[in-house]
Amino acid sequence: DAGVTQSPTHLIKTRGQQVTLRCSPKSGHDTVSWYQQALGQGPQFIFQYYEEEERQRGNFPDRFSGHQFPNYSSELNVNALLLGDSALYLCASSLAGWETQYFGPGTRLLVL
Amino acid sequence: GQNIDQPTEMTATEGAIVQINCTYQTSGFNGLFWYQQHAGEAPTFLSYNVLDGLEEKGRFSSFLSRSKGYSYLLLKELQMKDSASYLCAFDYSGAGSYQLTFGKGTKLSVIP
Repeated sequence: DAGVTQSPTHLIKTRGQQVTLRCSPKSGHDTVSWYQQALGQGPQFIFQYYEEEERQRGNFPDRFSGHQFPNYSSELNVNALLLGDSALYLCASSLAGWETQYFGPGTRLLVL
Repeated sequence: GQNIDQPTEMTATEGAIVQINCTYQTSGFNGLFWYQQHAGEAPTFLSYNVLDGLEEKGRFSSFLSRSKGYSYLLLKELQMKDSASYLCAFDYSGAGSYQLTFGKGTKLSVIP
């Protein structure tokens, strides 16, 4: 039973660039949530996708956008990268959004 | 309100018992989760409480008092591998799915 997978594991970008991160949910899950975790902090909710639509959104600017595909996998896009976007980006999947969320290994993004 | 308070760091001895507290504002609360996160890794699910009382799962137990806005995670028979950050998280959204708000985490160091 495959768990949540994310790619890439690490990424280095420069200010102003754009980045796309990918997530495949745990088998049987249909909901994907994205979180940003800065060093020494707890994860912060970015948004959640269900049935290919953004269902909930945290306090993040429009530079952060996402997509969910028919196979339930998801992408997180960040435009016009800032130094402060450097963080661990975590994807979590669940069933219908009400069950326990299981996290992927994360993508560590460094913006120079 | 969504203020979540956890101690920043704790140290305990191998074989001992440690209690990690978490307090939160009570408005709009839907459920409480505890996650364990080893350095550089994704959070892994430990426990879930929605009703008052103690939930026991092997060496780990989690307690919730909704009226007091208080929870704790109890770790028994501590092992060196329990050295990690412990995150409490709440769902405040009430919007039909879990939108987790995390505390900053408690870094637990287990010493011989």
